[in-house]
Amino acid sequence: DTAVSQTPKYLVTQMGNDKSIKCEQNLGHDTMYWYKQDSKKFLKIMFSYNNKELIINETVPNRFSPKSPDKAHLNLHINSLELGDSAVYFCASSQASWDGYTFGSGTRLTVV
Amino acid sequence: GENVEQHPSTLSVQEGDSAVIKCTYSDSASNYFPWYKQELGKRPQLIIDIRSNVGEKKDQRIAVTLNKTAKHFSLHITETQPEDSAVYFCAASINTGNQFYFGTGTSLTVIP
Repeated sequence: DTAVSQTPKYLVTQMGNDKSIKCEQNLGHDTMYWYKQDSKKFLKIMFSYNNKELIINETVPNRFSPKSPDKAHLNLHINSLELGDSAVYFCASSQASWDGYTFGSGTRLTVV
Repeated sequence: GENVEQHPSTLSVQEGDSAVIKCTYSDSASNYFPWYKQELGKRPQLIIDIRSNVGEKKDQRIAVTLNKTAKHFSLHITETQPEDSAVYFCAASINTGNQFYFGTGTSLTVIP
């Protein structure tokens, strides 16, 4: 009974394609996040939603668009994929920023 | 915004020795400091956290200390074991904010 689940786990695609990553949490948390982890392991926040409302929108290309249909789901759509988008993308949720995150298992995106 | 620095970036210790990872933060309003462990190919997982109203917290072989005046906090792992090998991330957050600010990670290797 996974708390934060992401799909797919692996995604290999060609440059220029459009792809989506889905995230769902069953913890009843109000806040969900997308993080990008590059090859140097640095965790960089991309977006955060609180109860379906966008609250953090870091400087990422507008090819990345998050969507939160309800507070248990946060999806990430990426248009016109580029080689530099290759990374591991983690979804996470928390009840508040002063509580620990629970991370999903990650999606390893490889753009060829 | 908050800036969290983490040192060292890599750390090798002999099995049974202690390991110490240090982080500094810039925003004196930060009051929650979690530590995450990320094993190879896995998600980051919360291992211990500390809030600003305490100076030290222990959980078996791991402990975290916080010096609010100096704005630094540290993770201590005693009697290290090979399964402690992982990347460790510190983070800081403010309870009125919306996100964690992560350090750049420390890759710990415990040599049997």
